[in-house]
Amino acid sequence: KAGVTQTPRYLIKTRGQQVTLSCSPISGHRSVSWYQQTPGQGLQFLFEYFSETQRNKGNFPGRFSGRQFSNSRSEMNVSTLELGDSALYLCASARSTPRQETQYFGPGTRLLVL
Amino acid sequence: KNEVEQSPQNLTAQEGEFITINCSYSVGISALHWLQQHPGGGIVSLFMLSSGKKKHGRLIATINIQEKHSSLHITASHPRDSAVYICAVGGGADGLTFGKGTHLIIQP
Repeated sequence: KAGVTQTPRYLIKTRGQQVTLSCSPISGHRSVSWYQQTPGQGLQFLFEYFSETQRNKGNFPGRFSGRQFSNSRSEMNVSTLELGDSALYLCASARSTPRQETQYFGPGTRLLVL
Repeated sequence: KNEVEQSPQNLTAQEGEFITINCSYSVGISALHWLQQHPGGGIVSLFMLSSGKKKHGRLIATINIQEKHSSLHITASHPRDSAVYICAVGGGADGLTFGKGTHLIIQP
C-alpha cells in the first residue's frame, strides 16, 4: 500500500506570493490533517479534513486555508506569504479520527519564503 | 488548551543503555501518541495509547491517565535509535497538541 505523498517536496517563494501544497493520503483513509513545523514553535496543528469537510482548525490566521476533494486528496493554501511562514509542512492521514488512531505522515514540503 | 511537557529536551547515551523519555500533559485526553522524527523530517508514529502499556520490539510505552503522564522506554539502545521523539495528545477540537520533542543521540 502506498504511503502518504506530498508535493512539491521543496519550494522557494517570495514575500507576498501565495502557495498551494498537495497531499495524497493512504488509500482508504478519509481524514487528512496538516501541521506546520518550525524550529521555534515545533509542530503545530493547522487543520483537519474528513470527507471534504473541515473538522477542526488550529490557531492560524485566515491566510492559511485548505480543502479536501472527494478522493480524499487535500490541498492547503497560504496567501500573502510572510517570512515566518518558512517551515516544514506535514500532512498525515488516518482512517477516521486522528486523535484516537494511528496517523501516517507524509515526507513534508519544505517551504522557504525570501 | 492542553499543555504538553517533555523531558529531557536532550539526551546523549551510550549504546546499550536503557532510555526513558517522559511526557506530561495538563488536560484529560482520549489518546496519546509517540512519534519518531529522523533528520530530514520524516515522522513515524510509534505508539498510540489510551491506557496501560504497549510494546513493540525494543520500545515500550506506558501511560498513567490519572497522573496525566506517559513514558517511552528504549531497551538496549542502538545508534539507529538516534532521532527526535515527540509526544502528542488529542482529545479536544484542537487536533493534536505536541511536545517540543526530545533529541536523543546514542553513541556507539
